[in-house]
Amino acid sequence: RKEVEQDPGPFNVPEGATVAFNCTYSNSASQSFFWYRQDCRKEPKLLMSVYSSGNEDGRFTAQLNRASQYISLLIRDSKLSDSATYLCVVNMRNQAGTALIFGKGTTLSVSS
Amino acid sequence: AAGVIQSPRHLIKEKRETATLKCYPIPRHDTVYWYQQGPGQDPQFLISFYEKMQSDKGSIPDRFSAQQFSDYHSELNMSSLELGDSALYFCASSLTSDSYEQYFGPGTRLTVT
Repeated sequence: RKEVEQDPGPFNVPEGATVAFNCTYSNSASQSFFWYRQDCRKEPKLLMSVYSSGNEDGRFTAQLNRASQYISLLIRDSKLSDSATYLCVVNMRNQAGTALIFGKGTTLSVSS
Repeated sequence: AAGVIQSPRHLIKEKRETATLKCYPIPRHDTVYWYQQGPGQDPQFLISFYEKMQSDKGSIPDRFSAQQFSDYHSELNMSSLELGDSALYFCASSLTSDSYEQYFGPGTRLTVT
């Protein structure tokens, strides 16, 4: 079983739609959580860190449920430019040099 | 703002050749990470360095080695290249005293023929 699991999609939505991605992780000792965005053949770009209290950045809202080992990302008012692969990412321990563990990503396609 | 720099951006090598990939972290960042991403795959961690010392090791083949230099740049040395080494190689950096967020460079696309 993969350490970080995501629905691969694709999610095909019209502009203006609200879309939610979910992710589960297997190691309850995981310390830090992130959503990255990756466009085709480009580098992963940090979208936001995820905290237990939940956090919002414009149209993006991330939530973490440690008890259920579940992370979510909500995108409101989708734009064409939101089309990308969204990677759920976990850091197992908060110390220098610790690897990120990536999910396989969820593909989003926003159409006009 | 300055980002992670990687060179070269593209590299074509033949089987059994060697390759060296370079990474220049964001200024002041003290930790460097190397990841390999095959076609249709998620990034896989290879190795990391904190303050010029190896700090974590992932699925890096014995044919590969890496180091971080006094100016914090890092090099990934790959020998006896195989067809399966064809992939995107990303370098990421972080400032540990600030957070554990990692910022990725644009990657080096290695093709082994």
